[in-house]
Amino acid sequence: DGGITQSPKYLFRKEGQNVTLSCEQNLNHDAMYWYRQDPGQGLRLIYYSQIVNDFQKGDIAEGYSVSREKKESFPLTVTSAQKNPTAFYLCASSILPGGPNNMNTEAFFGQGTRLTVV
Amino acid sequence: QQPVQSPQAVILREGEDAVINCSSSKALYSVHWYRQKHGEAPVFLMILLKGGEQKGHDKISASFNEKKQQSSLYLTASQLSYSGTYFCGTGQGGKLIFGQGTELSVKP
Repeated sequence: DGGITQSPKYLFRKEGQNVTLSCEQNLNHDAMYWYRQDPGQGLRLIYYSQIVNDFQKGDIAEGYSVSREKKESFPLTVTSAQKNPTAFYLCASSILPGGPNNMNTEAFFGQGTRLTVV
Repeated sequence: QQPVQSPQAVILREGEDAVINCSSSKALYSVHWYRQKHGEAPVFLMILLKGGEQKGHDKISASFNEKKQQSSLYLTASQLSYSGTYFCGTGQGGKLIFGQGTELSVKP
C-alpha cells in the first residue's frame, strides 16, 4: 500500500541534543512538507521541498534543518538551537501543485512523531 | 500569513448542524479542508478551486467565495464521528498554510 511513514511515533531526547525525525513516502510525490503542531496553534510550516536537492524555509524554520537527497525521503533535524522543541511533528506529501498559490493537490499526512525534550 | 478560522471551538448535539469559516487576507486560488482526530494525522476532506462548484462529501459540504477570500465548511446532521479539529489550508507562494483549527465536539 502506498503511503507516508514517519518514525518513530514517540521520541524522547535530552536538552541540547540534536534529533532527526524520519519521513518516507512511496507515493511518488514531488512535494514534501514538515509541520509542527502545538495545542491551539494549528499546523505551522517548518520546511518544504518540491524537488530533490532543493527545499525552502517555512514560517518557523529557525532551529531546524532538512535534506532532500532522495525523492521519497525528507528527514527533519531538530537542533539544539530550537528553544522549544517539544511538539507533535507532521510530515506531508503531495503531487506538485498547479502554481505557487494554486495548491490544487491533496496533501497526505504521516501519523506524526511526538517529540519530548527533557 | 495563516488563514483565520472561526469559531475556535463548537459543541453540538448529534443531528445538529454547524458552519466553520475560513478567511484570508490574501487572494485565494484554492482552499483545502482537513479533519484531525486527537493524536492522529489530518485526513483530507475536500479541495475547492477558484471558479469551481460547491463540493460535497457525505453530509459535509463547503463553499468558496473568491471575491470575499472566504470558504465555509457545512456539517449537516452531525454524527459522533464528526468530532475532531477541522483545518482549512491555502496556497501561498508554493507553501501550504493552515489555519489555527476549529475544535468540533459532537455529543450524544
